[in-house]
Amino acid sequence: QVQLVESGGGLVKPGGSLRLSCAASGFTFSDYYMYWIRQAPGKGLEWVSYISISSGYTDYANSVKGRFTISRDNAKNSLYLQMNSLRPEDTAVYYCARSLRKYRDDGFDIWGQGTMVTVSS
Amino acid sequence: DIVMTQTPLSLSVTPGQPASISCKSSQSLLHSDGKTYLYWYLQKPGQPPQLLMYEVSNRLSGVPDRFSGSGSGTDFTLKISRVEAEDVGVYYCMQSIKLPLYTFGQGTKLEIK
Repeated sequence: QVQLVESGGGLVKPGGSLRLSCAASGFTFSDYYMYWIRQAPGKGLEWVSYISISSGYTDYANSVKGRFTISRDNAKNSLYLQMNSLRPEDTAVYYCARSLRKYRDDGFDIWGQGTMVTVSS
Repeated sequence: DIVMTQTPLSLSVTPGQPASISCKSSQSLLHSDGKTYLYWYLQKPGQPPQLLMYEVSNRLSGVPDRFSGSGSGTDFTLKISRVEAEDVGVYYCMQSIKLPLYTFGQGTKLEIK
């Protein structure tokens, strides 16, 4: 079935780095825009980043711009988020998600279960 | 940035009774293509969010027809005609007119009386 599975979360000190991965299955990964969305403990949802089908377009929330880098490998059906210069306020569950419709930047219809990132000394 | 404001922030409903959640955006969500890019999500306890409605009133496949969405411009509503126990969770509206920046409402927590 259609599935997204995140990995790579964990505990990291302020200023440290982490790389999140998202493995996709059950659909043609290369046909869909992909996203990262996060949710701080007990808080609401915040869009973090998006990447187009062929990686030609990416963008970031202002809160992570210049520190996070999104990428994808269509041959491996995988999405990544490289997170550098981490801050305590980056502590959150990070979800990867798929666009609702093929070939377009759209709402998110499939979400992974999320991976927890904790930034603390 | 477009600000999405939901009311109420919490809701307690008796099973079988209706429920309504409002979402107001700080700018019109009507795109030049004629579509309005307003989505509704439900996050059940311990789960990731799930998409319920897209473009205001289109139910995703598998979403019960007791859920309906309406509105235009800056004012939107999600209605549940008869609340069931499985509907508990936090409901979020989201806009995508000003891509690539997506913004969510604060969330409305629905609980059963």
